[in-house]
Amino acid sequence: QVQLQESGPGLVKPSETLSLTCTVSGYSISNDYYWGWIRQPPGKGLEWIGGIYHSGSTYYNPSLKSRVTISVDTSKNQFSLKLSSVTAADTAVYYCARVDIVVVPAYMDVWGKGTTVTVSS
Amino acid sequence: EIVMTQSPATLSVSPGERATLSCRASQSLSSNLAWYQQKPGQAPRLLIYGASTRATGIPARFSGSGSGTEFTLTISSLQSEDFAVYYCQQYNNWPSYTFGQGTKLEIK
Repeated sequence: QVQLQESGPGLVKPSETLSLTCTVSGYSISNDYYWGWIRQPPGKGLEWIGGIYHSGSTYYNPSLKSRVTISVDTSKNQFSLKLSSVTAADTAVYYCARVDIVVVPAYMDVWGKGTTVTVSS
Repeated sequence: EIVMTQSPATLSVSPGERATLSCRASQSLSSNLAWYQQKPGQAPRLLIYGASTRATGIPARFSGSGSGTEFTLTISSLQSEDFAVYYCQQYNNWPSYTFGQGTKLEIK
């Protein structure tokens, strides 16, 4: 049974870089899925951040692209998110997810439980 | 960017009754639409993809329909565990996926 678990600091200072890792268990990250990040500000809806294939091919939400880097470590069955120059607006629950492919990456069929990141000094 | 608009924002329905949730896209999606359920403090759960295909393990009381710009999620006979927030998501405009703002389904 595939499971995803987010990890990383729960508090980040403004202007610094947010770094999170998603560890995948019960399934090889090198199989034919993409792997993605989604966030949800407190009391608000969902926002797609970006995703990665095991080959390292990435795709990002254009609105966040200048600040986002997603990487993969197949040896550890993990993928990671870095979001630079954070502000209070980046405070959210961050989810990692498996992304099924329908010609291109499509919908998220398995989700992690999420981790709360607060941006504050 | 494709804008997804869900209606109503809140829907009050009694257990055992039918619930109908709507999602409208600002441009055609073909059938590239998914529905998710989110309960408080939990991650979203995939219900429907391809506008009408139920995800693995999703009960038959959940059904999706529509294509183009108009989509519907129907829950035929509401159970207590179905009261949650529901989101639609378009994946037609890769990589600029967008979600609707959500419909909260509450007990009447």
